[in-house]
Amino acid sequence: EVQLVESGGGLVKPGGSLRLSCAASGFTFSRFYMTWVRQAPGKGLEWVSSINYNSNYIYYADSVKGRFTISRDNARSSLFLRVSGLRAEDTAVYYCARDVSLDSWGQGTLVTVSS
Amino acid sequence: QSALTQPASVSGSPGQSITLSCTGPSSDVGDYNHVSWYQQSPGKAPKLIIYDVTKRPSGISNRFSGSKSGNTASLTISGLQAEDEADYFCSSYTTSSTLVFGGGTKLSVL
Repeated sequence: EVQLVESGGGLVKPGGSLRLSCAASGFTFSRFYMTWVRQAPGKGLEWVSSINYNSNYIYYADSVKGRFTISRDNARSSLFLRVSGLRAEDTAVYYCARDVSLDSWGQGTLVTVSS
Repeated sequence: QSALTQPASVSGSPGQSITLSCTGPSSDVGDYNHVSWYQQSPGKAPKLIIYDVTKRPSGISNRFSGSKSGNTASLTISGLQAEDEADYFCSSYTTSSTLVFGGGTKLSVL
């Protein structure tokens, strides 16, 4: 069974940083494109960033470019998102999801940016 | 990276068929067959129900079907059931190798 488990969220002050993690199991992680998607409270889904299987291709939404960094460790079946320069509008549940079609999702980790 | 356009809300009665729409520019929905649909119940993570415009993942009811015409993709739910009440989001791969979502449609089953 495919499982994705996010962690690392929390309360952070504006301008602060966090490192979000996504632990994958139940599939060969190194073969899959992976994505981060976020959802602000009561709002819709927003694509954040994607990374291909060997990290050669990385993409970011304009809203996070230059502030967020996606990475992966295939040996540990883990996906990461370094979020920095945080703003109030970055407050959201952050989900990791598998493949271009986002065929499996984690339960999400909440990032709250507030002073 | 403009969002795809979805109606904010749709309602239907049990047993009825309803269709949700998702409209985007020709460079997204129009040019690619990588359109997906997700169902999200309150407090839960989204769940993939349609990918590549028309394909259903294993375990998804055949009451859900997808199609596309020009720049508009559609999700049809037949034999509407109370458990179908949820938010539905579409997404499309783009020419920039990114993903874009629709704003979501809240489906109410009356």
